[in-house]
Amino acid sequence: KAGVTQTPRYLIKTRGQQVTLSCSPISGHRSVSWYQQTPGQGLQFLFEYFSETQRNKGNFPGRFSGRQFSNSRSEMNVSTLELGDSALYLCASSLWGRGETQYFGPGTRLLVL
Amino acid sequence: QQQVKQSPQSLIVQKGGISIINCAYENTAFDYFPWYQQFPGKGPALLIAIRPDVSEKKEGRFTISFNKSAKQFSLHIMDSQPGDSATYFCAASESTDKLIFGTGTRLQVFP
Repeated sequence: KAGVTQTPRYLIKTRGQQVTLSCSPISGHRSVSWYQQTPGQGLQFLFEYFSETQRNKGNFPGRFSGRQFSNSRSEMNVSTLELGDSALYLCASSLWGRGETQYFGPGTRLLVL
Repeated sequence: QQQVKQSPQSLIVQKGGISIINCAYENTAFDYFPWYQQFPGKGPALLIAIRPDVSEKKEGRFTISFNKSAKQFSLHIMDSQPGDSATYFCAASESTDKLIFGTGTRLQVFP
């Protein structure tokens, strides 16, 4: 089976712009979660989607949003980018999202200038 | 109460030695405790995981020890190898995919 794939792998944006990141989960996995990884804050949970519904949400401002499609693929969007949004954004998938093994993608590295 | 505290921040071990990383948590509702390994430029990969109904789990050279009363769990890497050099994260969750991660331990294994 192919692993979790994320596109694009690298992205450079300027402050105030918006960005959309994409994640394709492992085939058959229905839960997709997003995490932000920074040197200062570490790995932080953004949100989780299951069957096109947001099931869990972390402590991030409303500028961070996401969605999931019927084929379980997911996108996350960050609007009005700030310098502090520069990070590695990781997507993870699991079968049911009930505390079982999550498989992470390679991440999208976002740089905000 | 949602925090997971991890130590040490960095660890240097000689090849063949034992690497030990510790984590502590406060939320007694956590019921899933995985350890992830991350190499530079890669996403985290699950190494081994444990649930609170067992006190120890071993997979090859990797062992998780779990102390429910102390709310602590640790990762032991036996016979550490240079290829084990990576950053290790402990995490916890409450029967969901919302993982609360520790701050990470950078392990360096020297030949």
